[in-house]
Amino acid sequence: SQQGEEDPQALSIQEGENATMNCSYKTSINNLQWYRQNSGRGLVHLILIRSNEREKHSGRLRVTLDTSKKSSSLLITASRAADTASYFCAADTSGTYKYIFGTGTRLKVLA
Amino acid sequence: EPEVTQTPSHQVTQMGQEVILRCVPISNHLYFYWYRQILGQKVEFLVSFYNNEISEKSEIFDDQFSVERPDGSNFTLKIRSTKLEDSAMYFCASRSQTSSYEQYFGPGTRLTVT
Repeated sequence: SQQGEEDPQALSIQEGENATMNCSYKTSINNLQWYRQNSGRGLVHLILIRSNEREKHSGRLRVTLDTSKKSSSLLITASRAADTASYFCAADTSGTYKYIFGTGTRLKVLA
Repeated sequence: EPEVTQTPSHQVTQMGQEVILRCVPISNHLYFYWYRQILGQKVEFLVSFYNNEISEKSEIFDDQFSVERPDGSNFTLKIRSTKLEDSAMYFCASRSQTSSYEQYFGPGTRLTVT
């Protein structure tokens, strides 16, 4: 499979539940970013995590990074209908800030 | 909060025509990027630009593509002779040298080649 594969591809949850999305990559990374994209819109930066970090928080978002497993996860706690969007991980594998994007997870939060 | 802006939001052009997509990066940023996303597919890196020259480009960025920073604020992507397969959303991004390296993306320009 390619660099930056997310799973699941689609996730449907009830408002108030937590949503977890995973991203795997093939080679070593310099850093990894998570983005949100609402349908047909731009990419909104959520969190950057560097290769020497294991966990970062921002509001209801928590990102973990496991470099030994070459994977990252994004947890959204207490989800809201407004969180409905596609979520992408993007890995900088070369240290040149050229990001390789994953295929994305489509999250649907039902009110 | 500063943001990357792009114009136009939607561009329709005929095959073979030249198009210029415009971006205004965040004002104190020094690194600029173009990515594209064909409908339903991954976001793909096209080119990075720093100090008035291309730093890196992908295989997609062939001779039909060029980038320019014509003045202190704009960053443009030109496609010389558009093809049907150039239809995509094109995103500009910028990064500050002194920040914690997040790339901030613009809202995108949807290019439709007919």
